[in-house]
Amino acid sequence: GAVVSQHPSWVICKSGTSVKIECRSLDFQATTMFWYRQFPKQSLMLMATSNEGSKATYEQGVEKDKFLINHASLTLSTLTVTSAHPEDSSFYICSARDQTSYNEQFFGPGTRLTVL
Amino acid sequence: AQSVTQLDSQVPVFEEAPVELRCNYSSSVSVYLFWYVQYPNQGLQLLLKYLSGSTLVKGINGFEAEFNKSQTSFHLRKPSVHISDTAEYFCAVSDRGSARQLTFGSGTQLTVLP
Repeated sequence: GAVVSQHPSWVICKSGTSVKIECRSLDFQATTMFWYRQFPKQSLMLMATSNEGSKATYEQGVEKDKFLINHASLTLSTLTVTSAHPEDSSFYICSARDQTSYNEQFFGPGTRLTVL
Repeated sequence: AQSVTQLDSQVPVFEEAPVELRCNYSSSVSVYLFWYVQYPNQGLQLLLKYLSGSTLVKGINGFEAEFNKSQTSFHLRKPSVHISDTAEYFCAVSDRGSARQLTFGSGTQLTVLP
């Protein structure tokens, strides 16, 4: 149980295009989802916290107009990187918190974004 | 606010030897503590967690960790490692409030040598 999927697992795009990454909780309802960014050989940095049906809360320094987050249902959150540039290339990981297992986050497998 | 320090960025160890990965944290409030493992190009998998109760926590794959409140530490141990344990290990903390956001350490690369 408690499986989180991400799609796509990797994406390569041209500079200036927008990319959407999906995060789904497959067998539980997630009232809260988190989006992280991880640079090579570095730790995970929290970008934003997404609550179902409300606006996401962004961490300091994260551009909310650049990284659009939508959490329209209890099983799906999306991260859209708008007008992507090479510096946006990174590994993006989502996690979801189960309503019943409130203390634990379940992580997706990550999405590797490469912007050319 | 919380912070997590993993002093060892890389730990090489021979197969079947014991290993300890160190984690210290700083927080003004009570916290929950976690260890995660990340294999290349994958997400994070929970190894174990401390929420309350016994300070010695046992996790998957033969790992265990001990919460030491006075030393604000949560070191991860395994008595005998395998080649398959080679991965990146992250220590993390969260507060006990409603947000419960995770703060991660910088990670420790465990490399098990044959």
